[in-house]
Amino acid sequence: SQQGEEDPQALSIQEGENATMNCSYKTSINNLQWYRQNSGRGLVHLILIRSNEREKHSGRLRVTLDTSKKSSSLLITASRAADTASYFCATVSNYKLTFGKGTLLTVNP
Amino acid sequence: EAGVAQSPRYKIIEKRQSVAFWCNPISGHATLYWYQQILGQGPKLLIQFQNNGVVDDSQLPKDRFSAERLKGVDSTLKIQPAKLEDSAVYLCASTYSVTGDIQYFGAGTRLSVL
Repeated sequence: SQQGEEDPQALSIQEGENATMNCSYKTSINNLQWYRQNSGRGLVHLILIRSNEREKHSGRLRVTLDTSKKSSSLLITASRAADTASYFCATVSNYKLTFGKGTLLTVNP
Repeated sequence: EAGVAQSPRYKIIEKRQSVAFWCNPISGHATLYWYQQILGQGPKLLIQFQNNGVVDDSQLPKDRFSAERLKGVDSTLKIQPAKLEDSAVYLCASTYSVTGDIQYFGAGTRLSVL
């Protein structure tokens, strides 16, 4: 079963705009991770936020976590065409990673 | 550092045939995972190894799927006999430990069952 659920399922923006993706989950977690998957490739880890953290930054990425609402968001600022990919949130509980269905982000040049 | 290696990249078989996928994790990574990713969905864990022992295979369809990790390094995932619904990308990932931190993924094997 899939724990995390991303919203929206698909997002299309222009280069230079910001992209925000949301993830909701159902049970308590140890940490939450975001991964990117380019078409036909494996997943690449982007950022990890632990259950006792509220916000984390990495380059153009900003992740927030609200454990009371069981939700997380990923913000990509100043998007580029190369950011076009599927983005997955993955919750970690009992050392097990469970992925959502992902958000397909298209950045138009 | 070399990444997770998987082969083959693509495989096309007919239903009821058998198929095997191979994975070589990052050197020194004790934990290895096999995931199944059906088109339009996120990866689903099939089996997790810690060294050469199975930690979790609760979602592995054991009547047709098998996996092994001899000597605690390379791993093979086999499907026998394959069904149409097994068409998916099979991803291998590895981590240094089993603590639920960052997983490193291979490029995957895309299986089409006709």
